[in-house]
Amino acid sequence: TQLLEQSPQFLSIQEGENLTVYCNSSSVFSSLQWYRQEPGEGPVLLVTVVTGGEVKKLKRLTFQFGDARKDSSLHITAAQPGDTGLYLCAGFNNNNDMRFGAGTRLTVKP
Amino acid sequence: KAGVTQTPRYLIKTRGQQVTLSCSPISGHRSVSWYQQTPGQGLQFLFEYFSETQRNKGNFPGRFSGRQFSNSRSEMNVSTLELGDSALYLCASSSSSARGAKLFFGSGTQLSVL
Repeated sequence: TQLLEQSPQFLSIQEGENLTVYCNSSSVFSSLQWYRQEPGEGPVLLVTVVTGGEVKKLKRLTFQFGDARKDSSLHITAAQPGDTGLYLCAGFNNNNDMRFGAGTRLTVKP
Repeated sequence: KAGVTQTPRYLIKTRGQQVTLSCSPISGHRSVSWYQQTPGQGLQFLFEYFSETQRNKGNFPGRFSGRQFSNSRSEMNVSTLELGDSALYLCASSSSSARGAKLFFGSGTQLSVL
């Protein structure tokens, strides 16, 4: 079973601060996705990374896929209260099996 | 374009009962997958249907079953409910079942088993 470990589990910061959350596994993934889930809603896809070492930017969010495709990070610059939510990573193996991490619950205080 | 619709939004049942949850995918999407989300276990994959056929199944007991209709709408059934089945059940639709295809999630059905 491929396990995805996300850290930290909880993160509470002030508006304007920067932060990085991590998604790690001992297994290789063919691709990896990041989602954000707000209370009472389903997860919303933010990005898909496929190539080892790939970096993708979405406004203030920067996503990186590790060179060995075993880990990924999400960096948020100048966090805003609207960034509050549960950030989930999900990895796909070569059999198209998808596994989610437990998530990082981010709170950005105004 | 309407999003993924799940009904009901909230449900309270007692142990031993059964429950059926419904999911209407985005128009044109033929893949529907179901997930269970709990604080302790996170998001866990239940099963995926594509064109009325189950394509993939997670590691859940046989009490959890599903089906997909010709219009791509899907239902999930849980029989003989247990307290541990209390969770948010999420449905997601996709235009294909290809690896890494974009999933669109519904808002979920919050099931409480008393």
